Amino acid sequence: QLQESGPGLVQPSETLSLTCTVSGGSISSNDFCWTWVRQPPGKGLEWITCITYSGYTFYKPSLKSRLTVSVDTSKNQFSLKLSSVTAADTAVYYCARRTRGSRDYYEDLWGQGILVTVSS
Amino acid sequence: QSVLTQPPSVSGAPGQRVTISCTGSSSNIGAGYDVHWYQHLPGTAPKVLIYGNTNRPSGVPDRFSGSKSGTSGSLAISGLQPEDEADYYCQSYDSSLKSAMFGGGTKVTVL
Repeated sequence: QLQESGPGLVQPSETLSLTCTVSGGSISSNDFCWTWVRQPPGKGLEWITCITYSGYTFYKPSLKSRLTVSVDTSKNQFSLKLSSVTAADTAVYYCARRTRGSRDYYEDLWGQGILVTVSS
Repeated sequence: QSVLTQPPSVSGAPGQRVTISCTGSSSNIGAGYDVHWYQHLPGTAPKVLIYGNTNRPSGVPDRFSGSKSGTSGSLAISGLQPEDEADYYCQSYDSSLKSAMFGGGTKVTVL
């Protein structure tokens, strides 16, 4: 299981910080990349980033300059930081597990999501 | 605007068959990258329906099927049921962007 946690309200221009706790299995596996996806209100899903337990990262290019992702194997958690947020970053943020299918990777396990609102 | 293009909505009566297209380009689906499909009900976590173009995870009804041809993928729902009313998203990888991405999503309405 995956569970997101973090503040539900962030001030504009500040940093959004979220953590995903992985339970029922180890985050320290070469088989997975740990992912963040978001959905702004009334819009579709947006793939943001993923990180392997060894720290190898993939980013959505338009967000890369504002993103920091990390893994804490001792706590079986991974985290997202998004800096200089604006109202456009208001969304439900999902953490997920990215696994290899027959050839390419896809998200096979998801958290329930957490709503983060950017507002003063 | 999404790199992967889906129709905003499709609808059908119970028992009918509907299809959802996902049109990409030579840097994603046309480059050989797989198409995956997700079902998303409001307030819940997305769920993978099809991975690797045609594969169904265990527990997904065989009413759902996927295909891929050229720069496009498709999801078909046969024997449409009321509980299939949801948003559906395709996903692939783009070699130019060096990133995974979702299509814009399709809302399926059961009439």
